[in-house]
Amino acid sequence: DVKVTQSSRYLVKRTGEKVFLECVQDMDHENMFWYRQDPGLGLRLIYFSYDVKMKEKGDIPEGYSVSREKKERFSLILESASTNQTSMYLCAIGRNLLAYGYTFGSGTRLTVV
Amino acid sequence: EDKVVQSPLSLVVHEGDTVTLNCSYEVTNFRSLLWYKQEKKAPTFLFMLTSSGIEKKSGRLSSILDKKELFSILNITATQTGDSAVYLCAVYGNNRLAFGKGNQVVVIP
Repeated sequence: DVKVTQSSRYLVKRTGEKVFLECVQDMDHENMFWYRQDPGLGLRLIYFSYDVKMKEKGDIPEGYSVSREKKERFSLILESASTNQTSMYLCAIGRNLLAYGYTFGSGTRLTVV
Repeated sequence: EDKVVQSPLSLVVHEGDTVTLNCSYEVTNFRSLLWYKQEKKAPTFLFMLTSSGIEKKSGRLSSILDKKELFSILNITATQTGDSAVYLCAVYGNNRLAFGKGNQVVVIP
């Protein structure tokens, strides 16, 4: 069974804090993605990565950065958390050629107060 | 910019009804269209469609793609309360998935 593990299920942080969201996969998939999901807006792509040390901006990268030092781990960083970053964050993995779609982690519900 | 539009955004049906969900798209370099089901947590994969006119079926769920008219439908027959979920349509092009806002389906007994 493919596993995509997100480090926290629920997180509460203060405005201005630096926040790290971790995603770890055990399937050796090349591609990893960070989405946020908000009511009425659907899933929006923040950043993605095709390989170690590679990263690409998605549709809404402002206020975020990412790190991929090892193939199995993709971190999303909120440099200075703000209340408008309160959201559900979903990590996903996928192979090249997208044979079977993406596999998602269980999500981290982040609240910034 | 890639666009994926789902309709209706939400609907309420009774158990046993048939549901038809729509997804239209505008994507450069289209490669495939995917449907996911999302209950309380992570979306789970339902179907991937790459060819027009070929129906994919899994139990009471089925889906078909029209690449000429740029849309797909997801049908659920004989609905059950366990079908209550948000159904997400996503289109793969330009090396990424673009998602629609989802169809929220509520099935009442």
